[in-house]
Amino acid sequence: DTAVSQTPKYLVTQMGNDKSIKCEQNLGHDTMYWYKQDSKKFLKIMFSYNNKELIINETVPNRFSPKSPDKAHLNLHINSLELGDSAVYFCASSHDGANQPQHFGDGTRLSIL
Amino acid sequence: QKEVEQDPGPLSVPEGAIVSLNCTYSNSAFQYFMWYRQYSRKGPELLMYTYSSGNKEDGRFTAQVDKSSKYISLFIRDSQPSDSATYLCAMSAQGGSYIPTFGRGTSLIVHP
Repeated sequence: DTAVSQTPKYLVTQMGNDKSIKCEQNLGHDTMYWYKQDSKKFLKIMFSYNNKELIINETVPNRFSPKSPDKAHLNLHINSLELGDSAVYFCASSHDGANQPQHFGDGTRLSIL
Repeated sequence: QKEVEQDPGPLSVPEGAIVSLNCTYSNSAFQYFMWYRQYSRKGPELLMYTYSSGNKEDGRFTAQVDKSSKYISLFIRDSQPSDSATYLCAMSAQGGSYIPTFGRGTSLIVHP
């Protein structure tokens, strides 16, 4: 009965590869997010989707492309992986509307060799 | 100056101690304040959510907001080893973008 689930938990790959991370939420939320947490623990918003529509796209390289097939799913595809992409990527969701608290998945630990 | 400042610690306390975790911020438009707890290799988990100034209590946890000083606190009473985690504060403004701004987290270690 996991609320926000991400797969895979760990991803180790080589520079230049393309990879995807999947996220699903069963909370009935309308809004989903991708965050990047670096080694210093800062959580930085990357994207936000509301009812499958992209509403926030922070300054993220266009190698990162989110896709939301329905409001319960938000996937993240990354092309041409670089060393600096190594981080923990968190998916989150919330009810629609301003300032709703977010519920996070357990993260995908991406390591680039 | 970052919008939200939080001492990364680690803060090490004995079991049973009262813990005080704090954040300062610079954006006077912030009205919503949150505390998240993050265990190692897990996602942040919402602990407390408050609006504007004042105190909110939930079991051993008390969140306090002082908007005049742009300072928020989380107090943990009777701390337990299971409270050992990183605590992140987050805050957002009313209207506009509703993406909260996070502090970098304070690592708390409660030793038996």
